[in-house]
Amino acid sequence: QKEVEQNSGPLSVPEGAIASLNCTYSDRVSQSFFWYRQYSGKSPELIMSIYSNGDKEDGRFTAQLNKASQYVSLLIRDSQPSDSATYLCAVIYGGSQGNLIFGKGTKLSVKP
Amino acid sequence: DTGVSQDPRHKITKRGQNVTFRCDPISEHNRLYWYRQTLGQGPEFLTYFQNEAQLEKSRLLSDRFSAERPKGSFSTLEIQRTEQGDSAMYLCASSPRDRDGSPLHFGNGTRLTVT
Repeated sequence: QKEVEQNSGPLSVPEGAIASLNCTYSDRVSQSFFWYRQYSGKSPELIMSIYSNGDKEDGRFTAQLNKASQYVSLLIRDSQPSDSATYLCAVIYGGSQGNLIFGKGTKLSVKP
Repeated sequence: DTGVSQDPRHKITKRGQNVTFRCDPISEHNRLYWYRQTLGQGPEFLTYFQNEAQLEKSRLLSDRFSAERPKGSFSTLEIQRTEQGDSAMYLCASSPRDRDGSPLHFGNGTRLTVT
Protein backbone atom coordinates (compact mmCIF):
# COMPACT_ATOMS: atom_id res chain seq x y z
CA GLN A 1 0.00 0.00 0.00
CA LYS A 2 1.50 3.29 -1.10
CA GLU A 3 0.96 5.87 1.59
CA VAL A 4 2.11 9.40 2.20
CA GLU A 5 0.88 10.72 5.52
CA GLN A 6 0.62 14.34 6.57
CA ASN A 7 -1.21 16.08 9.38
CA SER A 8 -4.10 17.88 7.72
CA GLY A 9 -3.86 20.82 10.11
CA PRO A 10 -4.65 23.58 10.13
CA LEU A 11 -1.26 24.57 11.44
CA SER A 12 -1.34 28.11 12.70
CA VAL A 13 1.83 30.12 13.36
CA PRO A 14 2.42 33.82 14.03
CA GLU A 15 4.16 35.94 11.44
CA GLY A 16 7.93 35.66 11.73
CA ALA A 17 7.86 32.23 13.38
CA ILE A 18 9.17 28.94 12.02
CA ALA A 19 6.55 26.64 10.50
CA SER A 20 7.37 22.93 10.60
CA LEU A 21 5.56 20.56 8.27
CA ASN A 22 6.01 16.81 8.48
CA CYS A 23 5.46 13.85 6.19
CA THR A 24 5.98 10.09 6.47
CA TYR A 25 5.95 7.55 3.68
CA SER A 26 5.69 3.79 3.53
CA ASP A 27 8.04 2.73 0.69
CA ARG A 28 11.60 2.09 1.88
CA VAL A 29 13.05 2.24 -1.65
CA SER A 30 11.73 5.72 -2.45
CA GLN A 31 14.48 8.05 -3.63
CA SER A 32 12.72 11.24 -4.67
CA PHE A 33 10.73 13.59 -2.47
CA PHE A 34 8.99 16.86 -3.17
CA TRP A 35 7.15 19.65 -1.40
CA TYR A 36 4.48 21.53 -3.30
CA ARG A 37 2.55 24.61 -2.20
CA GLN A 38 -1.06 24.99 -3.25
CA TYR A 39 -3.10 28.13 -2.77
CA SER A 40 -6.85 27.74 -2.59
CA GLY A 41 -8.30 27.15 -6.05
CA LYS A 42 -4.88 27.04 -7.68
CA SER A 43 -2.65 24.22 -8.91
CA PRO A 44 0.32 22.83 -6.96
CA GLU A 45 3.58 24.73 -7.27
CA LEU A 46 6.95 23.06 -6.62
CA ILE A 47 8.76 24.45 -3.56
CA MET A 48 11.54 21.96 -2.93
CA SER A 49 12.89 18.63 -4.12
CA ILE A 50 15.22 16.45 -2.05
CA TYR A 51 16.92 13.19 -2.91
CA SER A 52 19.61 12.63 -0.24
CA ASN A 53 19.53 12.30 3.51
CA GLY A 54 20.08 15.54 5.38
CA ASP A 55 19.03 19.13 4.88
CA LYS A 56 18.54 21.16 1.74
CA GLU A 57 18.07 24.90 2.03
CA ASP A 58 16.55 27.34 -0.45
CA GLY A 59 15.94 30.81 0.87
CA ARG A 60 13.51 30.63 3.77
CA PHE A 61 12.73 26.97 3.06
CA THR A 62 14.62 23.95 4.35
CA ALA A 63 13.72 20.39 3.44
CA GLN A 64 14.94 17.58 5.69
CA LEU A 65 15.07 13.92 4.70
CA ASN A 66 15.65 10.87 6.89
CA LYS A 67 15.30 7.73 4.81
CA ALA A 68 15.92 5.40 7.75
CA SER A 69 12.90 6.84 9.51
CA GLN A 70 10.98 7.34 6.24
CA TYR A 71 10.39 10.92 7.17
CA VAL A 72 10.63 14.18 5.26
CA SER A 73 9.91 17.65 6.60
CA LEU A 74 9.73 21.24 5.45
CA LEU A 75 10.72 24.19 7.60
CA ILE A 76 9.65 27.70 6.68
CA ARG A 77 11.63 30.38 8.50
CA ASP A 78 10.33 33.91 9.07
CA SER A 79 6.83 32.84 8.04
CA GLN A 80 4.79 35.42 6.17
CA PRO A 81 1.02 35.69 5.69
CA SER A 82 1.65 34.98 1.99
CA ASP A 83 2.92 31.53 3.03
CA SER A 84 -0.63 30.63 4.08
CA ALA A 85 -1.52 27.72 1.81
CA THR A 86 -1.76 23.95 1.74
CA TYR A 87 1.58 22.18 1.57
CA LEU A 88 1.65 18.84 -0.23
CA CYS A 89 4.30 16.21 0.30
CA ALA A 90 4.91 13.94 -2.70
CA VAL A 91 7.00 10.77 -3.02
CA ILE A 92 8.00 8.69 -6.02
CA TYR A 93 7.35 5.05 -5.20
CA GLY A 94 9.32 2.13 -6.54
CA GLY A 95 11.55 4.23 -8.79
CA SER A 96 8.78 4.72 -11.32
CA GLN A 97 8.15 8.31 -12.32
CA GLY A 98 4.51 7.49 -12.80
CA ASN A 99 4.12 6.59 -9.18
CA LEU A 100 4.31 10.11 -7.74
CA ILE A 101 2.03 9.85 -4.75
CA PHE A 102 0.79 12.88 -2.86
CA GLY A 103 -0.24 13.25 0.74
CA LYS A 104 -3.49 15.02 1.56
CA GLY A 105 -1.63 18.18 2.46
CA THR A 106 -1.20 20.32 5.56
CA LYS A 107 -3.01 23.62 5.66
CA LEU A 108 -0.79 26.38 7.03
CA SER A 109 -2.13 29.67 8.34
CA VAL A 110 0.30 32.47 9.17
CA LYS A 111 -1.30 35.10 11.38
CA PRO A 112 -0.12 38.72 11.08
CA ASP B 1 8.89 28.41 -21.14
CA THR B 2 5.18 29.17 -21.35
CA GLY B 3 4.20 26.60 -18.74
CA VAL B 4 1.66 23.80 -18.87
CA SER B 5 -1.58 24.94 -20.45
CA GLN B 6 -4.99 23.34 -19.85
CA ASP B 7 -8.28 23.98 -21.57
CA PRO B 8 -10.99 24.64 -20.57
CA ARG B 9 -10.51 26.14 -17.12
CA HIS B 10 -14.03 25.26 -16.10
CA LYS B 11 -16.56 22.79 -17.43
CA ILE B 12 -20.11 22.26 -16.25
CA THR B 13 -21.92 19.30 -17.71
CA LYS B 14 -24.97 17.21 -17.06
CA ARG B 15 -24.72 13.68 -15.82
CA GLY B 16 -24.37 11.22 -18.67
CA GLN B 17 -22.64 13.62 -21.06
CA ASN B 18 -19.13 13.14 -22.40
CA VAL B 19 -16.41 15.70 -21.78
CA THR B 20 -12.91 16.17 -23.17
CA PHE B 21 -10.06 18.17 -21.70
CA ARG B 22 -6.85 19.25 -23.38
CA CYS B 23 -3.35 19.69 -22.00
CA ASP B 24 -0.34 21.29 -23.68
CA PRO B 25 2.85 20.47 -21.76
CA ILE B 26 6.04 22.51 -21.56
CA SER B 27 7.55 22.08 -25.02
CA GLU B 28 10.78 20.32 -24.07
CA HIS B 29 9.10 17.94 -21.62
CA ASN B 30 8.35 14.50 -22.98
CA ARG B 31 6.53 13.17 -19.91
CA LEU B 32 2.92 14.11 -19.33
CA TYR B 33 0.68 13.21 -16.40
CA TRP B 34 -2.98 13.49 -15.49
CA TYR B 35 -4.10 13.80 -11.90
CA ARG B 36 -7.48 14.36 -10.28
CA GLN B 37 -7.99 16.35 -7.10
CA THR B 38 -11.06 16.68 -4.93
CA LEU B 39 -11.57 19.10 -2.06
CA GLY B 40 -9.36 18.38 0.92
CA GLN B 41 -7.38 15.70 -0.84
CA GLY B 42 -4.02 15.60 -2.53
CA PRO B 43 -3.78 15.03 -6.28
CA GLU B 44 -4.57 11.44 -7.26
CA PHE B 45 -2.58 9.86 -10.11
CA LEU B 46 -4.63 8.88 -13.16
CA THR B 47 -2.20 8.16 -15.99
CA TYR B 48 1.18 9.03 -17.46
CA PHE B 49 2.73 9.26 -20.93
CA GLN B 50 6.27 9.24 -22.15
CA ASN B 51 6.09 10.73 -25.61
CA GLU B 52 3.04 9.13 -27.20
CA ALA B 53 3.19 5.93 -25.14
CA GLN B 54 0.83 5.59 -22.21
CA LEU B 55 3.10 3.88 -19.69
CA GLU B 56 0.95 3.70 -16.58
CA LYS B 57 -2.71 3.88 -15.75
CA SER B 58 -4.18 3.91 -12.28
CA ARG B 59 -6.36 0.99 -11.30
CA LEU B 60 -8.75 3.61 -10.01
CA LEU B 61 -9.32 4.83 -13.56
CA SER B 62 -12.57 3.33 -14.79
CA ASP B 63 -13.13 2.38 -18.41
CA ARG B 64 -15.15 5.58 -18.83
CA PHE B 65 -11.85 7.47 -18.76
CA SER B 66 -9.48 7.50 -21.70
CA ALA B 67 -6.40 9.57 -22.41
CA GLU B 68 -4.39 10.04 -25.57
CA ARG B 69 -1.25 11.79 -26.64
CA PRO B 70 -1.20 11.00 -30.37
CA LYS B 71 1.89 12.91 -31.47
CA GLY B 72 3.73 13.07 -28.20
CA SER B 73 2.84 16.71 -27.72
CA PHE B 74 -0.59 17.71 -26.38
CA SER B 75 -2.84 15.26 -24.60
CA THR B 76 -6.58 14.82 -24.20
CA LEU B 77 -8.52 13.25 -21.35
CA GLU B 78 -12.03 12.11 -22.14
CA ILE B 79 -14.66 11.10 -19.63
CA GLN B 80 -17.66 9.27 -21.05
CA ARG B 81 -21.08 9.10 -19.39
CA THR B 82 -20.08 11.48 -16.64
CA GLU B 83 -21.24 10.88 -13.09
CA GLN B 84 -21.55 13.32 -10.20
CA GLY B 85 -18.58 11.61 -8.55
CA ASP B 86 -16.41 12.76 -11.46
CA SER B 87 -16.69 16.35 -10.24
CA ALA B 88 -13.14 17.38 -9.41
CA MET B 89 -10.17 19.42 -10.55
CA TYR B 90 -8.31 17.62 -13.33
CA LEU B 91 -4.64 18.53 -13.31
CA CYS B 92 -2.12 17.99 -16.05
CA ALA B 93 1.61 18.05 -15.37
CA SER B 94 4.78 17.55 -17.37
CA SER B 95 8.39 16.78 -16.62
CA PRO B 96 11.60 16.47 -18.65
CA ARG B 97 12.85 13.08 -19.74
CA ASP B 98 16.30 13.41 -18.17
CA ARG B 99 15.78 11.04 -15.30
CA ASP B 100 13.27 9.65 -12.95
CA GLY B 101 12.82 11.98 -10.05
CA SER B 102 12.41 15.15 -12.08
CA PRO B 103 9.80 17.41 -10.50
CA LEU B 104 6.41 17.74 -12.11
CA HIS B 105 5.19 21.13 -13.33
CA PHE B 106 1.44 21.52 -13.12
CA GLY B 107 -1.00 23.42 -15.27
CA ASN B 108 -3.83 25.50 -13.82
CA GLY B 109 -6.26 22.61 -14.04
CA THR B 110 -9.73 22.06 -15.43
CA ARG B 111 -12.50 22.18 -12.86
CA LEU B 112 -15.30 19.80 -13.79
CA THR B 113 -18.76 20.08 -12.27
CA VAL B 114 -21.27 17.35 -13.10
CA THR B 115 -24.86 18.31 -12.30
